[in-house]
Amino acid sequence: GAVVSQHPSWVICKSGTSVKIECRSLDFQATTMFWYRQFPKQSLMLMATSNEGSKATYEQGVEKDKFLINHASLTLSTLTVTSAHPEDSSFYICSARTNYEQYFGPGTRLTVT
Amino acid sequence: LAKTTQPISMDSYEGQEVNITCSHNNIATNDYITWYQQFPSQGPRFIIQGYKTKVTNEVASLFIPADRKSSTLSLPRVSLSDTAVYYCLVALRAGNMLTFGGGTRLMVKP
Repeated sequence: GAVVSQHPSWVICKSGTSVKIECRSLDFQATTMFWYRQFPKQSLMLMATSNEGSKATYEQGVEKDKFLINHASLTLSTLTVTSAHPEDSSFYICSARTNYEQYFGPGTRLTVT
Repeated sequence: LAKTTQPISMDSYEGQEVNITCSHNNIATNDYITWYQQFPSQGPRFIIQGYKTKVTNEVASLFIPADRKSSTLSLPRVSLSDTAVYYCLVALRAGNMLTFGGGTRLMVKP
């Protein structure tokens, strides 16, 4: 099946710094990419949806200036957590869609100290 | 978007068949039912998808009654490695996994 990769798989950063997470569709072109956040023992929560070459659509309650999403190509989307704070520590999962198939990445564990 | 309701948790033993039922009373005509499996600190993994009646693949079966207001994921002869959280999603085809419900935490015991 199709593969979606994320980099890094885990990252630790200091409060106030910015962190960029990459999401790549390795063997297919993704018309749409999704970013989710998952806190311990909770379900996935959709943060935003992005289409290649256009601005991302953020879910209610998600700060677009804090979570910058760039979908520059059909195989790459990035999520930048700006001025990270400890409460941003979470598991971030991306997903890529092509036609009627959707595939999830392995996730990135972000810890803000 | 159709909301789904699943049991929070289930216990089973190795070798048993496990059936997890999901309610989706507000499913729309064009919606599909998809099940994902998630292990700790990993992304969700696609298990099976269906629209009506029964679908079977190498790992599971999906039973959908005629009214499509519920669905049942059947895992034959579970093993310890099937311990995971299982999510039922209802969405237009497979490319709109926007809303994850609470999922069912399956614990398989020896």
